[in-house]
Amino acid sequence: GIQVEQSPPDLILQEGANSTLRCNFSDSVNNLQWFHQNPWGQLINLFYIPSGTKQNGRLSATTVATERYSLLYISSSQTTDSGVYFCAVERGSYIPTFGRGTSLIVHP
Amino acid sequence: GAGVSQSPRYKVAKRGQDVALRCDPISGHVSLFWYQQALGQGPEFLTYFQNEAQLDKSGLPSDRFFAERPEGSVSTLKIQRTQQEDSAVYLCASSFGNTGELFFGEGSRLTVL
Repeated sequence: GIQVEQSPPDLILQEGANSTLRCNFSDSVNNLQWFHQNPWGQLINLFYIPSGTKQNGRLSATTVATERYSLLYISSSQTTDSGVYFCAVERGSYIPTFGRGTSLIVHP
Repeated sequence: GAGVSQSPRYKVAKRGQDVALRCDPISGHVSLFWYQQALGQGPEFLTYFQNEAQLDKSGLPSDRFFAERPEGSVSTLKIQRTQQEDSAVYLCASSFGNTGELFFGEGSRLTVL
C-alpha cells in the first residue's frame, strides 16, 4: 500500500512563531487531507487539497502532486494550535491512509 | 445530523466482554469508515461501507471484530471477547460520495481491563 511520512514528528514553538509541516507520499494520489487532532481527540478538517494551494486564515497548504508531497504552513502560531497534525491520502481504493502525524506544542 | 456522532464516548470493559460501538454519520453520506487509533499513532483503517455494502474489511484485526450498516446509515462496530490489545480509540468517519472529504466523529475510547 501507499506509504505516508510526516515530518517533523515533534515540534515545539513559542507563540507567534511560524512553522512548516511536511507530508511525503510514495505514489500518486487522488485525494489528500490535512487534519488537526485537538487535545480531546477530535479530528478537525483543515484542508481537502489533492493539488494546488489553499489558505484559511493563518493556515495554508500546498500540495505538489507530481513530486508527491504536501506542506502545511502555520503562521503566527497560537496555543490553541497545539495538538497533532495528520495528513491522509487516498489512491484509487477509496480508503484514506494516514501518516503518523506531527505533534505540535505552542508555548505562551 | 449536523456532524458524525459516536457513542459511547468512553467504554470500560472487562477482558472477555463483548462491546458495541455506534456511529451515526452525516445525513446523506454514502461512505462510512471505521478506524482504530492507538496512543501516539495515526488512525489505522478497519473497514469501509458504501451505503449498506461492506466493501472492504481488510483492516479488521481478527474475527472477533464485526461491523454492520444494515440500512446504509447508522453503523455498529462489535468486538467480541475483548482483549487488552483492543484498548484504543475507535473513530468513525463519513463522506458524501465514494471518495472525497472525510468528516470524523469524536471517537469512542475503549479500555479493556
